[in-house]
Amino acid sequence: NAGVTQTPKFRILKIGQSMTLQCTQDMNHNYMYWYRQDPGMGLKLIYYSVGAGITDKGEVPNGYNVSRSTTEDFPLRLELAAPSQTSVYFCASSYPVSGGGSGTDTQYFGPGTRLTVL
Amino acid sequence: LAKTTQPISMDSYEGQEVNITCSHNNIATNDYITWYQQFPSQGPRFIIQGYKTKVTNEVASLFIPADRKSSTLSLPRVSLSDTAVYYCLLPREGSTLGRLYFGRGTQLTVWP
Repeated sequence: NAGVTQTPKFRILKIGQSMTLQCTQDMNHNYMYWYRQDPGMGLKLIYYSVGAGITDKGEVPNGYNVSRSTTEDFPLRLELAAPSQTSVYFCASSYPVSGGGSGTDTQYFGPGTRLTVL
Repeated sequence: LAKTTQPISMDSYEGQEVNITCSHNNIATNDYITWYQQFPSQGPRFIIQGYKTKVTNEVASLFIPADRKSSTLSLPRVSLSDTAVYYCLLPREGSTLGRLYFGRGTQLTVWP
């Protein structure tokens, strides 16, 4: 299994440009997530999905959009890039643990996409 | 609102045991406590998870007292390669499974 893969690894955008960050997982996980991590900080949840066709906002969704047409793919779209979106973006996936308590599912992370907006 | 509190940084030397304590005074009855590790330029990686008492795996041990208001991650005999950020995580309040809250974590630096 490749696990969670993300493309591209690095990208430089100009202000106002758009791009899509790709995320694919081959573990048949229902749950997928997008996080951003600013230098020296923890991860902030942007969007998440509990299955194909179902997405919901995290704590910092403004300026981003997502879609989930298949179990495997969860692309993140940046419209009108701004310098404040300069960050490292991580995609993750997990599956719900049968009978588990809150937070028992393990999240598997991709290698990240380093985005710079100039 | 942060649900966990842990030291910003810790230093240790190779071969020592490292204990990182996390406070979570408002932990909910069903919440599990999870620890992740993150190396520079990589995504976080699951280390260990527990609900109460003690959990041990090949990487670390997790100690949780009876009141569950804190937990301690124990790394035996650390090496230089254990230098990383360690996150103590609880589920987000009112969240569905998997919506974990990542704070700033603890930067552990291991010296030779």
